[in-house]
Amino acid sequence: SAVISQKPSRDICQRGTSLTIQCQVDSQVTMMFWYRQQPGQSLTLIATANQGSEATYESGFVIDKFPISRPNLTFSTLTVSNMSPEDSSIYLCSVLRTGGVGELFFGEGSRLTVL
Amino acid sequence: SQKIEQNSEALNIQEGKTATLTCNYTNYSPAYLQWYRQDPGRGPVFLLLIRENEKEKRKERLKVTFDTTLKQSLFHITASQPADSATYLCALEVRTALIFGKGTTLSVSS
Repeated sequence: SAVISQKPSRDICQRGTSLTIQCQVDSQVTMMFWYRQQPGQSLTLIATANQGSEATYESGFVIDKFPISRPNLTFSTLTVSNMSPEDSSIYLCSVLRTGGVGELFFGEGSRLTVL
Repeated sequence: SQKIEQNSEALNIQEGKTATLTCNYTNYSPAYLQWYRQDPGRGPVFLLLIRENEKEKRKERLKVTFDTTLKQSLFHITASQPADSATYLCALEVRTALIFGKGTTLSVSS
């Protein structure tokens, strides 16, 4: 199994600011994903973080709002830019298990509250 | 677009009974379907994966069925325990990414 560490675990932010969430994996993984889980909702895929190239964003999510970096096979960042209260959510990093059958491992999430 | 529905937001059962959760999907024919458990304040944890050519998969007290004709998966927890109380999510693959249902929150009372 993969151990995934996310930082920060939670934060309270002011409207209009940006916050970068870090995701560190204890082993090299090919596929990394960023999800959002709004209160009372399920997980929504934001983007696939591709190593060495631009992230692949899902419909409704754009790079200017959620820039993603993936400098190597164990690390990724997600920035939530120009935040508004609607961005208050849990942001989760996940990785595809190497050698698995398609299951994901998740970090514990980063809970952001935007005032 | 792909739609995943889990039959109810909450399910309350007595300890020892069998919990049955339903996941229905539309507009897609996934090669497999997955179930996850999520506890409050934690990330989801993978439980089981069932492929389109499998009718049933078991793991300890868990059983998953997959009916591709009905486009439905059933998730059973037998001899349920209070420790099984959590939110259970179904997920299926859409264009190499996993898409999740909203989940069913199971409460098992002693």
